[in-house]
Amino acid sequence: QSALTQPASVSGSPGQSITISCTGTSSDVGGYNYVSWYQQHPGKAPKLMIYDVSNRPSGISNRFSGSKSGNTASLTISGLQAEDEADYYCSSYTSSSSLYVFGTGTKVTVL
Amino acid sequence: EVQLLESGGGLVQPGGSLRLSCAVSGFTFSSNSMSWVRQAPGKGLEWVAAIGGSGASTYYADSVKGRFTISRDNSKNMLYLQMNSLRAEDTAVYYCAKRIVSTKGFDYWGQGTLVTVSS
Repeated sequence: QSALTQPASVSGSPGQSITISCTGTSSDVGGYNYVSWYQQHPGKAPKLMIYDVSNRPSGISNRFSGSKSGNTASLTISGLQAEDEADYYCSSYTSSSSLYVFGTGTKVTVL
Repeated sequence: EVQLLESGGGLVQPGGSLRLSCAVSGFTFSSNSMSWVRQAPGKGLEWVAAIGGSGASTYYADSVKGRFTISRDNSKNMLYLQMNSLRAEDTAVYYCAKRIVSTKGFDYWGQGTLVTVSS
């Protein structure tokens, strides 16, 4: 099972919006609405930001939103803030022998 | 408050074994599927194994199948990962994670425990 493809890095200025893509196949991203997104600060555990493509857990800012089209999911961060600087990983349920597959990860830099 | 606390990591020689533990609290453990996810130094996340609430169903990544065993003790609120025939490429921080109820994905994670496989 290959990892989902994400851009290595995305950057933006405070207040701007950025979008991170996550490309898989019809066996994972395209086949199920089970895409989730995780934020990870250095040395910390991942934190759930989005689940089921576009749902936000309680306590997550509405500046974070998710969507999906075909085999590609996206995470948009609007009103970028300094604390959003972190690594972001997508994940999807998969019909392959491995239940879940993660993305390659994207480093978000706030300029 | 949901808490997951891993332990058992350390330095082990190639071919050796190690057992990781994850103590959980703050939710009905026996009703929730759990997973182990690892992260090699400087690398991305990799799902390793999952287990259903009763422990009857287990699933493994191809990279660890036949070498790792996930298990749980619902009477003790404990999750385990028995790792045998360890390889250098198994070096990683190992996280236990709780699956979101009624869907896929992980809503709570432990702080991780580092496993280093080296001679």
